Amino acid sequence: DTGVSQDPRHKITKRGQNVTFRCDPISEHNRLYWYRQTLGQGPEFLTYFQNEAQLEKSRLLSDRFSAERPKGSFSTLEIQRTEQGDSAMYLCASSTTGQSSYEQYFGPGTRLTVT
Amino acid sequence: AQKITQTQPGMFVQEKEAVTLDCTYDTSDQSYGLFWYKQPSSGEMIFLIYQGSYDEQNATEGRYSLNFQKARKSANLVISASQLGDSAMYFCAMRETGFQKLVFGTGTRLLVSP
Repeated sequence: DTGVSQDPRHKITKRGQNVTFRCDPISEHNRLYWYRQTLGQGPEFLTYFQNEAQLEKSRLLSDRFSAERPKGSFSTLEIQRTEQGDSAMYLCASSTTGQSSYEQYFGPGTRLTVT
Repeated sequence: AQKITQTQPGMFVQEKEAVTLDCTYDTSDQSYGLFWYKQPSSGEMIFLIYQGSYDEQNATEGRYSLNFQKARKSANLVISASQLGDSAMYFCAMRETGFQKLVFGTGTRLLVSP
């Protein structure tokens, strides 16, 4: 069990540029989640996949955000035309649908800074 | 709508003492789960403990216990025998049955001094 991994760990970009983050869940986990955490706040839910299907999306996920999980394994989160308000930590988590499905395991996060 | 309230922005405790971190929640659902996560300065969210709304006994995991008072809608985390490594942000979270998202509070920063 290597845990949830995220890449990159840090990203600095200029306003208006597009960025893409990657998340690799724990290998046997079929559920994958994206959260966003701004300074001084708890994580806020963005979206959730079960296998390759995106089943829940927050209204926080504007048209500039898109997430995919093409083969039910890793996932990508893309932000188009970044704005300074997008600066945050983007956290990925995964879980199973088994008996211990209540627990979500989080990755180390990708810290985005938009200048 | 689900809501988690953590009213303590910061807590200080001496090593080896016990500390209680407060959490109240609001939901109209009868079936839900309550969680506590620890977030060290490295940023990763570490799962600590879970309590189901129908669990009659308070959850315990090592030095962590959850003081669940359903009628008061509170789910306080108790850390016994604090250690220096317990210094971190602590988040209370809730998930309603049928939904997968976790709703988090704003967190409490715990500082353990020698």
